[in-house]
Amino acid sequence: DIQMTQSPSSVSASEGDRVTITCRASQGISTWLAWYQQKAGKAPKFLIYAASSLQRGVPSRFSGSGSGTEFTLSISSLQPEDFATYHCQQTKSFPLTFGGGTKVEIK
Amino acid sequence: QVQLVESGGGVVQPGRSLRLSCAGSGFPFRSYGMHWVRQAPGKGLEWVALISYDGSKKYYADPVKGRFTISRDISKNTLFLQMNSLRLEDTAVYFCAKDHDISGNYYYGVDVWGQGTTVTVSS
Repeated sequence: DIQMTQSPSSVSASEGDRVTITCRASQGISTWLAWYQQKAGKAPKFLIYAASSLQRGVPSRFSGSGSGTEFTLSISSLQPEDFATYHCQQTKSFPLTFGGGTKVEIK
Repeated sequence: QVQLVESGGGVVQPGRSLRLSCAGSGFPFRSYGMHWVRQAPGKGLEWVALISYDGSKKYYADPVKGRFTISRDISKNTLFLQMNSLRLEDTAVYFCAKDHDISGNYYYGVDVWGQGTTVTVSS
């Protein structure tokens, strides 16, 4: 199985900050990676697929990059509604696997 | 609008069974693969199972293989998860989710999620 490791597990940031989250795969997954945002008590929201393609309706301050084993999710200018937990998921092979999540907290 | 609504969660003793349902609407249910994903209290997301658009292919996570069965009724736009031999570690919120890709390659993640149904396994 492909293991996904996210770092950091949490980050404190202020509104307007740029935040970058890293996701590493235990083996190469090309660009088969998705990102999700989840707020407390809610279902996840689909943000990015194929490592860098923004889902329709997601603000352009979100961006994804990477290929192979290392990927990043960036938020260019943090907004109040962006404080949440972010999850990566490899979609290259079954079983599909998620990273442990990164919580973006208010500084 | 596109919507998924889960039901069937509850409190169950270890070793017993439970069947979850997920009703889909607002999209061509028969054209998309469907997933179950769970989240234990205070933990991250764990993918559980996928069924192809036509039900011909099924994939499972190792912890549930042989105990859980995913199925679908296209005539009723409904997804199911039959959970047998439940364990304490199966306690979680279970989400059903729609695959993003209509082509059946399952490479792009899930783009629509239900609100989740809570399963608690406790003696």
